Amino acid sequence: EIVMAQSPATLSVSPGERATLSCWASQSVSSNLAWYQQKPGQAPRLLIYGASTRATGIPARFSGSGSGTDFTLTISSLQSEDSAFYYCHHYNNWPPEYTFGQGTKLEI
Amino acid sequence: QVQLVESGGGVVQPGRSLRLSCAASGFTFTTYGIHWVRQAPGKGLEWVAAVLYDGSRKYYADSVKGRFTVSRDNLKNTLYLQMNSLSAEDTAVYYCAKDQMFKSISGLFDSWGQGILVSVSA
Repeated sequence: EIVMAQSPATLSVSPGERATLSCWASQSVSSNLAWYQQKPGQAPRLLIYGASTRATGIPARFSGSGSGTDFTLTISSLQSEDSAFYYCHHYNNWPPEYTFGQGTKLEI
Repeated sequence: QVQLVESGGGVVQPGRSLRLSCAASGFTFTTYGIHWVRQAPGKGLEWVAAVLYDGSRKYYADSVKGRFTVSRDNLKNTLYLQMNSLSAEDTAVYYCAKDQMFKSISGLFDSWGQGILVSVSA
């Protein structure tokens, strides 16, 4: 089983600044890495897939990078509405066994 | 737009059973795999199960294998999760989530329901 790890656990950033969230895989996942945003009381929302492709309707200030085992989610020009948990997620493996990182809480 | 609406949650005693439903609309249900993902209170996300677009293949996390059964009714555009032998560790919000891949399973969840709470308690 591939284990996903995220850091930091909590990140506090001021409005207008940039946040950098990290995710590591215990073995290579190529570019099969997605990021989800989850606000309190809401379902997760797909932000990024293929490590760097924004999902439909996601603002350009959300960007993803990385491949193999090391990945980064960058959110520029932070807004208060960006306060949420962010999860990285490995997909496209066989047999199906999909794992998430433990999440990063972003506070604005 | 894609809509997924879960129902059937509630409080259940340990060892008992419960069946969740997920009603889908806004897309061609018969051509996409659907997953169940859960989230224990204050915890992260855990993939639970998936079913292929035509119901021919089903996949489970080790934590629920042998106790949970996923199924779908393509005439009713509805997904089900039959949960047996429930324990406190199964207490969570259960989400149904649509797979992004056409007529296959990728594990990339592009749309989610709002979730339904299952609480296992004596």
